Amino acid sequence: EPEVTQTPSHQVTQMGQEVILRCVPISNHLYFYWYRQILGQKVEFLVSFYNNEISEKSEIFDDQFSVERPDGSNFTLKIRSTKLEDSAMYFCASITSGASYEQYFGPGTRLTVT
Amino acid sequence: QKEVEQNSGPLSVPEGAIASLNCTYSDRGSQSFFWYRQYSGKSPELIMSIYSNGDKEDGRFTAQLNKASQYVSLLIRDSQPSDSATYLCAVNHSFGNEKLTFGTGTRLTIIP
Repeated sequence: EPEVTQTPSHQVTQMGQEVILRCVPISNHLYFYWYRQILGQKVEFLVSFYNNEISEKSEIFDDQFSVERPDGSNFTLKIRSTKLEDSAMYFCASITSGASYEQYFGPGTRLTVT
Repeated sequence: QKEVEQNSGPLSVPEGAIASLNCTYSDRGSQSFFWYRQYSGKSPELIMSIYSNGDKEDGRFTAQLNKASQYVSLLIRDSQPSDSATYLCAVNHSFGNEKLTFGTGTRLTIIP
């Protein structure tokens, strides 16, 4: 069964450094999402992406964040200058078009900012 | 602010019993509802989706939706120790491809 994959599984970075989190959505899916979950808190929406542009973004998704789909398979989240409070699990999700609205999540990247 | 509320638990249920998880939401216009299971340190795993009032059954799981009362529930029959996890209620505010709004989750423990 096709799955969403994410790399790396764990990223440790120093405050102020740039990180890029990578996702490979399910191949026939057209809508892509990033969510994050700070330890012990709920899953929060960051951004949605369709047809090579951002569809919606949350207040969390400020100028330090960007997304792109550099080729036909990868979907990336970049944080330009990480802060301590960016430490969280970051999940990529995707959805096909059509009648199903079910979002399937990747295994996540644990980002630790020191 | 569109909110999704869940009792954080923990909810303890004997093995073999029925576990009942509840969720309420604030946006009356919400259309799509989902239950995810999340094991500690892992990603959310989709269990059920429901879009219409009433019950939807899938194996040991039954999702119930009441839009008039703005609540969604999940019943797990014949609970197994492997069902011990945090159950997340998620709401999509339209029939579409918009973001999901999650509740904080209910931690379920199945006691052998």
